[in-house]
Amino acid sequence: GESVGLHLPTLSVQEGDNSIINCAYSNSASDYFIWYKQESGKGPQFIIDIRSNMDKRQGQRVTVLLNKTVKHLSLQIAATQPGDSAVYFCAENSGGSNYKLTFGKGTLLTVNP
Amino acid sequence: GAGVSQSPRYKVAKRGQDVALRCDPISGHVSLFWYQQALGQGPEFLTYFQNEAQLDKSGLPSDRFFAERPEGSVSTLKIQRTQQEDSAVYLCASSGGTGNLNTGELFFGEGSRLTVL
Repeated sequence: GESVGLHLPTLSVQEGDNSIINCAYSNSASDYFIWYKQESGKGPQFIIDIRSNMDKRQGQRVTVLLNKTVKHLSLQIAATQPGDSAVYFCAENSGGSNYKLTFGKGTLLTVNP
Repeated sequence: GAGVSQSPRYKVAKRGQDVALRCDPISGHVSLFWYQQALGQGPEFLTYFQNEAQLDKSGLPSDRFFAERPEGSVSTLKIQRTQQEDSAVYLCASSGGTGNLNTGELFFGEGSRLTVL
């Protein structure tokens, strides 16, 4: 079935809680990072991005934090809603590429009503 | 339509068959990308077009994979003599910028799910 080969990290939260999704990136030369949301049967959808000259960026209900020292990226979602349930991917511009993205494995977020 | 359109949404092929997957990018978008997404994994880069020019095909897994965009709009990804390991979702994305991630957001289609039996 669908679960065969599916080894995504998972995060389960209650509606209204804050969610934090983490990502470790691989290439220290990467200087642009994006978080994508992917719902079942759909393509990735842009959420928020951040450049390497910043360590924090806020959007509507979302915040991205970047720690270049340890090559770590996180996505914080405030007041999580059932519609936020999806797989979340971080992506980096591969080694500083201006067009190629390298995606992480993804985290499955489940929001319980 | 307003978004990136891909067809077919689902394709089942017998091993050894050839398949063609189509992508209609957002009108006017210069850059077009193909990514391959295996079950439970993140998308992996296959190839990149700027208008009709294929500027990077380094991600194509083998010479059985071929992509084209002859008029700088619609693109086709062709897989010859399909193998079971080709089973995946093939995602197309387009961008209004000249591929520069700093200037143009990538818009992904819903993908074509290929199952090779």
